[in-house]
Amino acid sequence: QVQLVHSGAEVKKPGASVKVSCKASGYTFIGYYMHWVRQAPGQGLEWMGWINPHSGDTKYAEKFQGRVTMTRDTSISTVYMELSRLTPDDTAVYYCARSVVCSSSSCYAGFDIWGHGTRVAVSS
Amino acid sequence: AIQLTQSPSSLSASVGDRVTITCRAGQGISSSLAWYQQKPGKPPKLLINDVSDLESGVPSRFSGSGSGTDFTLTISSLQPEDFATYYCQQFNTYPLTFGGGTKVEIK
Repeated sequence: QVQLVHSGAEVKKPGASVKVSCKASGYTFIGYYMHWVRQAPGQGLEWMGWINPHSGDTKYAEKFQGRVTMTRDTSISTVYMELSRLTPDDTAVYYCARSVVCSSSSCYAGFDIWGHGTRVAVSS
Repeated sequence: AIQLTQSPSSLSASVGDRVTITCRAGQGISSSLAWYQQKPGKPPKLLINDVSDLESGVPSRFSGSGSGTDFTLTISSLQPEDFATYYCQQFNTYPLTFGGGTKVEIK
């Protein structure tokens, strides 16, 4: 079946970086875009950006520009999200989620498949 | 960024009730709106795409409507498994944004 499987929970110190992975299975990996969305404890959903697994192109939310890097390894159908210069405000569950193609100005659908999420805690 | 304002932020309802949740966008987003359901400890689940297109497997008691800036999610007859938090999302303009959520609780 179609699924996205995340790497395990992380605990980081302020100022550190975290790299979270999301492995896709059950569909053509390069045929869909992959987004990252985070959710702080008890809070709503925040979109961070997407990666086109076929080309490696990325689009980041301005809020995270300079601090986030999304990459992929097509040989193992896995996308990665690295967030640097962590602060306690980055404590959240980080989800990968799939969508159909996006353009430079918009996307064309919502996110139909979500991973179970990776919990990242940032604390001194 | 396009702000999405959901109302109410929470509601209490009984099984069998008709429930309506609204989502207002700060500017026009055409039909680029999706609705999600999230239960505690789980990822969101896509219910409706493009304002009113029900995802495969989603019960027909869920429906969406609206255009431009004002959108609604309706549950025609609330079932026990529908108690959850619901989010709208616009995918018309970057950054993609979500509404603040509506928590549907048991009365």
